[in-house]
Amino acid sequence: KQEVTQIPAALSVPEGENLVLNCSFTDSAIYNLQWFRQDPGKGLTSLLLIQSSQREQTSGRLNASLDKSSGRSTLYIAASQPGDSATYLCAVLETSGSRLTFGEGTQLTVNP
Amino acid sequence: GAGVSQTPSNKVTEKGKYVELRCDPISGHTALYWYRQSLGQGPEFLIYFQGTGAADDSGLPNDRFFAVRPEGSVSTLKIQRTERGDSAVYLCASSLRDDYGYTFGSGTRLTVV
Repeated sequence: KQEVTQIPAALSVPEGENLVLNCSFTDSAIYNLQWFRQDPGKGLTSLLLIQSSQREQTSGRLNASLDKSSGRSTLYIAASQPGDSATYLCAVLETSGSRLTFGEGTQLTVNP
Repeated sequence: GAGVSQTPSNKVTEKGKYVELRCDPISGHTALYWYRQSLGQGPEFLIYFQGTGAADDSGLPNDRFFAVRPEGSVSTLKIQRTERGDSAVYLCASSLRDDYGYTFGSGTRLTVV
């Protein structure tokens, strides 16, 4: 059974700092990995999607990497801003089915 | 539509009652998913539709839960004899194909009192 772990569970940083969120998964047979952002009381917003054949994806200040063989992904946020405060969720889509398996998320707070 | 729409946004019901939660996916998206998210946790898979049929319903917790998608677009998640443990946010997502990125709705927060 696929398990997804996100470290740290919570992170508090001052504005302007660069930061890295970590995601690991136990079964490397995946189609893709997706990073989401969730604001309190809201749904999920897709940030980046990395196909299994790709190593990284970038969007603005966000960069996500994927090392499928070691079961790891990182989300790098450059020059963090208070508006980046949210919970960040990592999810993998397995080749054996059509379900996303999520981690429990990293709650990020960026202090002005 | 432009995004995935879920109604109602909030639902409070008494223990033992029946509820229906609606999801209107992005037009043209054939894949539709239901997830459930408890406080402080990541979403958990419930059911996946490809067109009108349930391709994978292995995440439904018990036979009180049922979902339909009769015309391959709108889906309804139905919960019978609700229990307090059913309280959660129910999220719907749609996708162009089942190995593509998902778009999630804002969810329905269900509270069973």
